[in-house]
Amino acid sequence: GQNIDQPTEMTATEGAIVQINCTYQTSGFNGLFWYQQHAGEAPTFLSYNVLDGLEEKGRFSSFLSRSKGYSYLLLKELQMKDSASYLCAVRDRGYSTLTFGKGTMLLVSP
Amino acid sequence: ETGVTQSPTHLIKTRGQQVTLRCSSQSGHNTVSWYQQALGQGPQFIFQYYREEENGRGNFPPRFSGLQFPNYSSELNVNALELDDSALYLCARSLSGTSGRVSYNEQFFGPGTRLTVL
Repeated sequence: GQNIDQPTEMTATEGAIVQINCTYQTSGFNGLFWYQQHAGEAPTFLSYNVLDGLEEKGRFSSFLSRSKGYSYLLLKELQMKDSASYLCAVRDRGYSTLTFGKGTMLLVSP
Repeated sequence: ETGVTQSPTHLIKTRGQQVTLRCSSQSGHNTVSWYQQALGQGPQFIFQYYREEENGRGNFPPRFSGLQFPNYSSELNVNALELDDSALYLCARSLSGTSGRVSYNEQFFGPGTRLTVL
């Protein structure tokens, strides 16, 4: 089975940098995904890590340490539209399905 | 825009009834997964279909069943609805992609069906 933990809520101000942490305990591991989900909408893909290290994609970066069961999503130059829930998800080795954390609700204020 | 569509967008049912939710894709993704997302929670895996056969199942009772058709469209059926079945139901198609040094199998989500059981 999988257990994924992430903070419930975070707040930040426009233009700032925020780091959302995710820890996981898994029986198998075949990659970690970050998704963004605005209220009432479907999750949209942000990043993928399967090797240790940092993956950068514009204002978003994601880091993975497999030995520590730890990942973070870094959001730079925050914008109001970044207010959303951020979901950490681990892919099981068996098939391509994902086990999600409960999500971190990020509120960006002016 | 993920190219994955779901219908209906919203649905209200009463306890004990049955419901069928539908998912289709513009492209020929041959793997489809269904997830249930309760309010304030992350999506939970229900089951996955690959080439019209169930290819894995989460911790959901048998009254949750599915189908995948030759045109890769899919259905989720829920019998004997319970109040706790009220949730957003998401369909996800798998597609290969590349991120930096590695390739991966990304899941594209449809907009979901909001089911309310009264």
